[in-house]
Amino acid sequence: AQKVTQAQTEISVVEKEDVTLDCVYETRDTTYYLFWYKQPPSGELVFLIRRNSFDEQNEISGRYSWNFQKSTSSFNFTITASQVVDSAVYFCALKAGGGNKLTFGTGTQLKVEL
Amino acid sequence: GAVVSQHPSRVICKSGTSVKIECRSLDFQATTMFWYRQFPKKSLMLMATSNEGSKATYEQGVEKDKFLINHASLTLSTLTVTSAHPEDSSFYICSARDSKGGRGEKLFFGSGTQLSVL
Repeated sequence: AQKVTQAQTEISVVEKEDVTLDCVYETRDTTYYLFWYKQPPSGELVFLIRRNSFDEQNEISGRYSWNFQKSTSSFNFTITASQVVDSAVYFCALKAGGGNKLTFGTGTQLKVEL
Repeated sequence: GAVVSQHPSRVICKSGTSVKIECRSLDFQATTMFWYRQFPKKSLMLMATSNEGSKATYEQGVEKDKFLINHASLTLSTLTVTSAHPEDSSFYICSARDSKGGRGEKLFFGSGTQLSVL
């Protein structure tokens, strides 16, 4: 069975602070995909990144960076110099074992204040 | 811009009535679409996988007769909540995968539908 844990329910930071959102996953499959999505108040889920299990190279995209650690089954997401527009719920998700099912974490509500 | 359009964004209905939610892929064909349900401050739960031209595949515990899914074309899937009751009140969100690939495992999500059953 697949499982995704986002232990941080809610995080509040002041603008320009760096913030890391944690994601821990569980799967017995050796081939899997990990995702991060952003859900702003409008409700739409916005794709941020996909990473397959064979690629542990960390990635940076602008103010966003991701740290994939297979040894600890973690796929953490860091926002550098946070902005108010970053305020949203962020979901980590896992796709494993073939098929189409995405297993989502419970999400982390990020609030960035001035 | 958005590539998956979901309509309506919000609907309020009386208990016992049926509600139809549409999910359209705007600039690609999607042989497969997915329907999720999200409770407040909760994760998204996959309800069913909608396959164009065939019956939907429902997740365990999801009532097929309650949540009717039709995927009659490559760009449209509909979810009908039949005889809605207050416990069906939730946020429903669809997603679609580009049939031509190239976009890999990136799913495109609609903006969701907030259903409130009185």
